[in-house]
Amino acid sequence: AQKITQTQPGMFVQEKEAVTLDCTYDTSDPSYGLFWYKQPSSGEMIFLIYQGSYDQQNATEGRYSLNFQKARKSANLVISASQLGDSAMYFCAMREPHNTDKLIFGTGTRLQVFP
Amino acid sequence: EAGVVQSPRYKIIEKKQPVAFWCNPISGHNTLYWYRQNLGQGPELLIRYENEEAVDDSQLPKDRFSAERLKGVDSTLKIQPAELGDSAVYLCASSLDRGQGASTDTQYFGPGTRLTVL
Repeated sequence: AQKITQTQPGMFVQEKEAVTLDCTYDTSDPSYGLFWYKQPSSGEMIFLIYQGSYDQQNATEGRYSLNFQKARKSANLVISASQLGDSAMYFCAMREPHNTDKLIFGTGTRLQVFP
Repeated sequence: EAGVVQSPRYKIIEKKQPVAFWCNPISGHNTLYWYRQNLGQGPELLIRYENEEAVDDSQLPKDRFSAERLKGVDSTLKIQPAELGDSAVYLCASSLDRGQGASTDTQYFGPGTRLTVL
């Protein structure tokens, strides 16, 4: 079974609008971490935001926020006020420190921001 | 602070040739990772080092792939001989592992090496 599922292969959003990128995960470990990375065409994976399984509040980093719904096992990324430079691939990933302790990635969502 | 450095950025070789990738992690980071990213996929872990020790190499195809991290700093990943299916982006990442199974240890990635095997 896939550990990380990103069901949106591609998304479009108009500049200055908000967009939500979906991510669901599967784990039986009560302790885990969820990460979002951005990968522009240059290839580098850029860390955006982190959410721990025991965190009581949703994580926020500037224009990025994470809509963490633990019971539904979802960790959607919300980008507010989209900019043209946000166009990239976005990957959701999970780390289970008491299991394999490696970062497992989803297949990604390609976001395109248009003027 | 300098990020993770990788070289070369691009490499084109013919099948059966050897190839090597180099990675220098963020200063002070004790954990280093090599990932392979196939086209249209997320990265997949090949090997993880904690200092000089390879603590997870279960996904490394050991018949042709090898890696080393001498002195616990920079690392080299080698493929010999390369096959057509090895064409991918090879990403290096590093983190400061605080131990005790902390789920918060963020991995920072380098720009990757795009390998094309002809």
